[in-house]
This record gives sequence, structure tokens and C-alpha cells, in this order.
Amino acid sequence: DTGVSQDPRHKITKRGQNVTFRCDPISEHNRLYWYRQTLGQGPEFLTYFQNEAQLEKSRLLSDRFSAERPKGSFSTLEIQRTEQGDSAMYLCASSLAPPLGANVLTFGAGSRLTVL
Amino acid sequence: DAKTTQPPSMDCAEGRAANLPCNHSTISGNEYVYWYRQIHSQGPQYIIHGLKNNETNEMASLIITEDRKSSTLILPHATLRDTAVYYCIVRVVNNNAGNMLTFGGGTRLMVKP
Repeated sequence: DTGVSQDPRHKITKRGQNVTFRCDPISEHNRLYWYRQTLGQGPEFLTYFQNEAQLEKSRLLSDRFSAERPKGSFSTLEIQRTEQGDSAMYLCASSLAPPLGANVLTFGAGSRLTVL
Repeated sequence: DAKTTQPPSMDCAEGRAANLPCNHSTISGNEYVYWYRQIHSQGPQYIIHGLKNNETNEMASLIITEDRKSSTLILPHATLRDTAVYYCIVRVVNNNAGNMLTFGGGTRLMVKP
């Protein structure tokens, strides 16, 4: 297994455009998480899935954000009508469900979004 | 989750032990201490975790005080590749809760030659 893969690694877009990020977790991990990280700050939780079910969403996840994990494997995070404040690194992580994988997350390298 | 306090930055000489402190004075009995690090331009990486006993793995050692109000992450022989931001996180383990780790500001460790 090559770990958690994210695509694209970098995305530059104009304000108002839609963008989509993809995450491929470690295959045997049933939990998948999305975090956002702005410059100089720690990662902030956005949402997580257990298999295909989205179990929790942060208040940071506005209506313009939507995440899916249709078959319980890869996940997508879409941002509609991007704003300059959406510029950040979007991190995906996966883990086994507790107790085996409790709080031991494997992160991908992230997808950096720049909104002009 | 209990709040953690870490120094914003530390320096360490290459080859020496790096001791990174973390205060978590409001920790409750069922909360574990987790450490992650984030090397520049990479995602965070899990290092180690513990409840009350000291723990050691191939990356580091975790020393938790008897009252569990503070802990220290020890990198026994720091290398330049250990330069990173180190996050101390306190979190319960609960089958019904998501693993919404809350990352604070962390400690920026600079290992110098």
C-alpha cells in the first residue's frame, strides 16, 4: 500500500469557479477524514466518513462545500463558487475505526488550493 | 477534549536529544495523549500515544507524569530531518465518536547542525 493519495497536489483557480479534490485512503481503512490547513495554523477538522456514511461535519464546512465517499473507498471534496478565503491546504486522512485505529490517522500530502 | 499548551518553538543540536514538553492540566481519566508531527509541505505524521505509562517506539519516547498533567516527547538523537512542527493532542477513545483530532499551534522544532 502506498499510503493516502491526494489529487491534485496543487490547484490554482479563479474566484467563483468550482474545484474538486480526490482522496484515495489506505485500502483497509474504513474511516476517512478531511481537514483544512491555512498558513501557520494547525489542521482544522472538516468532516469524516465511516465507510460511505458521512458521520460528522464541522461548522467550517459551509454550504459551498460537499464531500462524498460513494462506495466507501475514495472520497471527493468539492468546493463550489470558490472564494479567496478558501485558499488553503486540504488534507485527507484515513484510519481504522476504534478501538484498533483510534486517533491514529494516516494523512496524505494534501492538495493546495489557491483562489485568485 | 482537554486543552494542551506547548512552547511555540524550540531549537536542538543535531545528535542530541530533543525534549518537547506539553501541558494538559485538565486531562480526564479516559483521555490519551497523542503526538503528531508535520514536516514542511507534508501532511501530519503520527508518532506515538499513551494513557499513563511511558511508551517507546522506533521514532520516539513518551513520558507522562504520574498526575498526567504534562508529558514530554523525546527524540533521542535528533537529526536534521526531525525539523518539523510537533503537535500534542489529548483525546478520548470512543467507538461512537469520530476521531476529530484537534490540532493546536504545536511546537516548531528546529534541529541545527
